Amino acid sequence: KQEVTQIPAALSVPEGENLVLNCSFTDSAIYNLQWFRQDPGKGLTSLLLIQSSQREQTSGRLNASLDKSSGRSTLYIAASQPGDSATYLCAVIGASGSRLTFGEGTQLTVNP
Amino acid sequence: ETGVTQSPTHLIKTRGQQVTLRCSSQSGHNTVSWYQQALGQGPQFIFQYYREEENGRGNFPPRFSGLQFPNYSSELNVNALELDDSALYLCASSRTGTGVDEQYFGPGTRLTVT
Repeated sequence: KQEVTQIPAALSVPEGENLVLNCSFTDSAIYNLQWFRQDPGKGLTSLLLIQSSQREQTSGRLNASLDKSSGRSTLYIAASQPGDSATYLCAVIGASGSRLTFGEGTQLTVNP
Repeated sequence: ETGVTQSPTHLIKTRGQQVTLRCSSQSGHNTVSWYQQALGQGPQFIFQYYREEENGRGNFPPRFSGLQFPNYSSELNVNALELDDSALYLCASSRTGTGVDEQYFGPGTRLTVT
């Protein structure tokens, strides 16, 4: 059974800092990995998707990497802003199906 | 914003009642998945529908059931509501067969069971 863990559970940083969120998964046979952002009480916004054959994806100030063999992904946020404050969720799709298995998220607070 | 919509936005039900939640998928998508997210936790997979057939189910009891219609919209039905069913219910649509399966989520329905 696939399990996804995100560390840290919560993170508070001053504006302008670069930061890294971590995600690990137990079964390396994944199809792809998605990073999402969730604002309080809202739905999920897809940030980046990395296919299993890829090593990283970039979008603006966000960069996500994938090391499938070690079961790890990182989300790097450059020059953080107060508007980045949200919960960030990592999810994987296993090779056998299309269901997403989520971690419990990292709650990020960026202080002005 | 994605093109995925859900209704209602929120509702309150009493234990033992039944509820139906609705989801309209993004244009061009043929697959809908439902997730339950309890407060402070990551979403949990309930089931998925592909071309009107159930295509995978998570660890949820049979009182959670669903439908997908020819236009690929979907319903989630929950019978005999329990207090623990209180959660944010999320719908995601995707296009199976592209080799990518990126999932796009709606805003969710907040269900409170009293």
